[in-house]
Formats: sequence, C-alpha cells, structure tokens
Amino acid sequence: KAGVTQTPRYLIKTRGQQVTLSCSPISGHRSVSWYQQTPGQGLQFLFEYFSETQRNKGNFPGRFSGRQFSNSRSEMNVSTLELGDSALYLCASSLWAGSYNEQFFGPGTRLTVL
Amino acid sequence: ILNVEQSPQSLHVQEGDSTNFTCSFPSSNFYALHWYRWETAKSPEALFVMTLNGDEKKKGRISATLNTKEGYSYLYIKGSQPEDSATYLCAFSHTDKLIFGTGTRLQVFP
Repeated sequence: KAGVTQTPRYLIKTRGQQVTLSCSPISGHRSVSWYQQTPGQGLQFLFEYFSETQRNKGNFPGRFSGRQFSNSRSEMNVSTLELGDSALYLCASSLWAGSYNEQFFGPGTRLTVL
Repeated sequence: ILNVEQSPQSLHVQEGDSTNFTCSFPSSNFYALHWYRWETAKSPEALFVMTLNGDEKKKGRISATLNTKEGYSYLYIKGSQPEDSATYLCAFSHTDKLIFGTGTRLQVFP
C-alpha cells in the first residue's frame, strides 16, 4: 500500500507570495491533518479535514487555509507569505476522523520564504 | 496554554543499554496519548496510541506505559541498537487536536 505523499518536497518563495501544498493520503483514508514544524517547536496542528469538511482548526491566522477533495486528497494554501512561515509542513492521514486514531505521516514539504 | 513536556531533550547511550524517557501532559480532558518515532529525513512513524489509564503497549524492544491520572507516559527501549537513533515524539489529544511535545532525541553509539 502506498504511503502518504506530499508535493512538492521543497519550495522557495518570497514574502508576499502565496503557496499551495498538496497531500495525497493512503488509499481508503478519509481524514487528513496538517502540521507545521519550525525550529525548536513541536509539531503545531493546523487543521483536519474529513469527508471534504474542515472539522478542526489550530491557532493559525486566516492566511492559512485548506480544502479536501472527494478523493480525500487535500491542499493547504498560505497567502501573503511571511518570513516566519518558513517551516516543514507535514500532513498525516488516518482512516477516520478524531485524534485518537493512528496517524500516518507524509515526508513533508520544506518551505523557505525569502 | 496546554503544554506537553518531554524529557530529557536528548540522550546518548551505548549499544545494548536500556533507556527510557518521559512525556508529561495535562491530566484533564484526556482522550489519547500517541508516541511517534521520527528518523532523520524520514516521516514520523506511529509507535503507539494509548487511551486507557494503566495501558501498557509493546512493540519488539519498545514499550510504553500510561498514567492519565497524574499525566505522564514512559517510553522504554530495551537493549538499544544504533537503528533506534531517532527523535521520539509524544502527542496528547485534547479537544480532538493533537498537541505535540518537542521530542527526545536519542543517539545510540555502537
């Protein structure tokens, strides 16, 4: 069974630009969660999507948004990029919604904002 | 602000040593406690999801215990091997969101 895939793996953008990251979950998994990791911080929860609906959201500004498609693939968008958005963005999929379910992580997208 | 604390931050052990680390979390509104292993340049890999007070889980040489009343979990590695070198993350489930600690970085020397 193929694992969680994320594209692109690396991205360089400049301040003010916007970016879209993509996550394809494991086949059959319907929940996708997104996390941000910056140096010295633990993984910070961004949001969770299940059946095309955002069911939970972390404490991030409205510049961070996401969506999920009918095939469970998810995209995350960050508008008006700031230097502090430079981070590793991980997505994780699970069979069902809810944080008591085992999550399977992708390899991440490394975003650098110049 | 909810905090998940892991200690120690880093650990260096010799091959064959047994080791353990701690994850502390708020004891109220507990749903679940996750442990992950994250090797450099790879994806975090789930080790355990624990939901009940007193839970003990085992996978090979790695085991974990959970105390939800006092808000801590221990991860044990018996007879550490160089391939165990990784960052071990715990995550506490609160209001259905996972709150991660910053991890314990384990280095096992041959």
